[in-house]
Amino acid sequence: TQLLEQSPQFLSIQEGENLTVYCNSSSVFSSLQWYRQEPGEGPVLLVTVVTGGEVKKLKRLTFQFGDARKDSSLHITAAQTGDTGLYLCAGGTSYGKLTFGQGTILTVHP
Amino acid sequence: DAGVIQSPRHEVTEMGQEVTLRCKPISGHDYLFWYRQTMMRGLELLIYFNNNVPIDDSGMPEDRFSAKMPNASFSTLKIQPSEPRDSAVYFCASSPGGGRSKTEAFFGQGTRLTVV
Repeated sequence: TQLLEQSPQFLSIQEGENLTVYCNSSSVFSSLQWYRQEPGEGPVLLVTVVTGGEVKKLKRLTFQFGDARKDSSLHITAAQTGDTGLYLCAGGTSYGKLTFGQGTILTVHP
Repeated sequence: DAGVIQSPRHEVTEMGQEVTLRCKPISGHDYLFWYRQTMMRGLELLIYFNNNVPIDDSGMPEDRFSAKMPNASFSTLKIQPSEPRDSAVYFCASSPGGGRSKTEAFFGQGTRLTVV
């Protein structure tokens, strides 16, 4: 069974602060994805990383895939209240299976 | 494309009743996933299909749960008989597949199931 562990589970910060969310596994994945979910909606894809060591930036969000393709991080610079939500990492395999971590609930206070 | 469409959005049923959740994936997507989300357990993969064929159903909790995909544009998840512990939000998602960069999933809005 491939498990993904996210940390922290909960994160409460002030607007303007930086934060990092981690996603770790003992398994190797062919791709690692990050999703954001708002209340009452399904998760929405933010980014996919496929190469070990890969770094992708999406405005204030920076995503990194570990060299061994077992872990990933999401860093948000100067958080805004609109960043509030549930952040999920998901590992994909070559045969199409997609497994999610438990998620990190981020609350950004004004 | 309208995205992944799930119905109903909300379902309240009595313990012991049969519940059927429905999903229409995005046209052209080869993979379809059923997930269950609760506060305690997060987003759990129940079963997924590739080209209408079930590939991995190891996440299905027990025999009360069954899923079918009779064609490329429709899937159902059935719970019979339902129990209060089945209360959760059930998501259907589809994916184009076909390579490492194409496993990203597109989710429906979910069905919130309450079994009383």
